[in-house]
Amino acid sequence: QSVLTQPPSASGTPGQRVTISCSGSSAHLENNYVYWYQQLPGTAPKLLIYRNNLRPSGVPDRFSGSKSGTSASLAISGLRSEDEADYYCEAWDDSLSGPVFGGGTKLTVL
Amino acid sequence: QVQLVQSGAELKKPGSSVRVSCKASGGTFNSHTVSWVRQAPGQGLEWMGGLTPIFNSSNYVQKFRGRVAITTDESTTTAYMELTTLRSEDTAVYYCARGSRGNLASWGQGTLVTVSS
Repeated sequence: QSVLTQPPSASGTPGQRVTISCSGSSAHLENNYVYWYQQLPGTAPKLLIYRNNLRPSGVPDRFSGSKSGTSASLAISGLRSEDEADYYCEAWDDSLSGPVFGGGTKLTVL
Repeated sequence: QVQLVQSGAELKKPGSSVRVSCKASGGTFNSHTVSWVRQAPGQGLEWMGGLTPIFNSSNYVQKFRGRVAITTDESTTTAYMELTTLRSEDTAVYYCARGSRGNLASWGQGTLVTVSS
């Protein structure tokens, strides 16, 4: 059972916009930044969004993040086949003094 | 941007220990937390613990305390994770990652540890 809650799967067709949700509690999301990671099959996770809504250099602006209270979401617009991957949200846990992850969402591009 | 390169796959017997290394190149080494995250087959990501070299301060998830140790060697900019008393449930890919307060901006390529008799 993951500390942050994500839907196990999401899907869309090329060109569509999809969103992936992430919910937590005041111990995590409300008082801390949320981060999103993309994990392509057989590879290490890659930071996709940091500090709620910022993109590291090289991440396309098709990816965007938002956070409100104890919920966050990742939006992918103009969906492409190469976006097919697992997506994880993560936030700092003040009581743990460490990061906690969502269970991951498998995105399928139909 | 720092690059993290991990040691190769390991096959271990139950009850034994494993040590995985993570060499950093580029960027500063001391001032950022090194975390270890594992991923069991078909499962999600699980943070195990982290160490901030400049403070020599480590923190571990309760379920791993007593079995895991994270250390660093500043002279070789290498971090290590040792897990003892291995059991089959420890079979996973182990990643090192660098960043502070959850901002895991750099990841190693992962090391598969298989625990089997």
